[in-house]
Amino acid sequence: AQTVTQSQPEMSVQEAETVTLSCTYDTSENNYYLFWYKQPPSRQMILVIRQEAYKQQNATENRFSVNFQKAAKSFSLKISDSQLGDTAMYFCAFMKKTGANNLFFGTGTRLTVIP
Amino acid sequence: NAGVTQTPKFQVLKTGQSMTLQCAQDMNHEYMSWYRQDPGMGLRLIHYSVGAGITDQGEVPNGYNVSRSTTEDFPLRLLSAAPSQTSVYFCASSYSFLPTPNEQFFGPGTRLTVL
Repeated sequence: AQTVTQSQPEMSVQEAETVTLSCTYDTSENNYYLFWYKQPPSRQMILVIRQEAYKQQNATENRFSVNFQKAAKSFSLKISDSQLGDTAMYFCAFMKKTGANNLFFGTGTRLTVIP
Repeated sequence: NAGVTQTPKFQVLKTGQSMTLQCAQDMNHEYMSWYRQDPGMGLRLIHYSVGAGITDQGEVPNGYNVSRSTTEDFPLRLLSAAPSQTSVYFCASSYSFLPTPNEQFFGPGTRLTVL
């Protein structure tokens, strides 16, 4: 079974600063995908970034980047130049490479950007 | 494009009642999924579909039925509602089985309460 752990229930960051959200996971799979999702107060989930486990290069999407450490089973999200619109719940998720697009989610980190 | 639409936004049921949650997308996506989100948790996959006429079970399928007669629609049926099904339900669609930023979309959710 896959488990995804987010050990930081809440975090805050000053506007324009950088913040890092942590995620660890447990799996016996060698090929898989990792994701960070954003859920703003509107509740609508948004996929922010994806990382393929076979890629050594860390994924980036504009101000969002990840630090993927496969051996340590760690997958953190860095948000640079934080903006008020980044205030949201952030979920880390895991998906096996084969089979259904069954995403396993962590319990989330509530990020507040302070003006 | 309207994206992914869900109806109703809110619903209260009594134990034993049945109902259908509607989900529609106008992006010609093959992949559609239903998730539930319980308080303090991430999403869990209920059922998914890889195209019209093809559906399969996710992580928590018990008590739910789905069908996919058209590409656009993917309704979720609660057969006999139970208090344990109180949750927020999200429908998602994407071009492929692999979620990709700006190619996977979620609906706004349906908040269901079962008394």
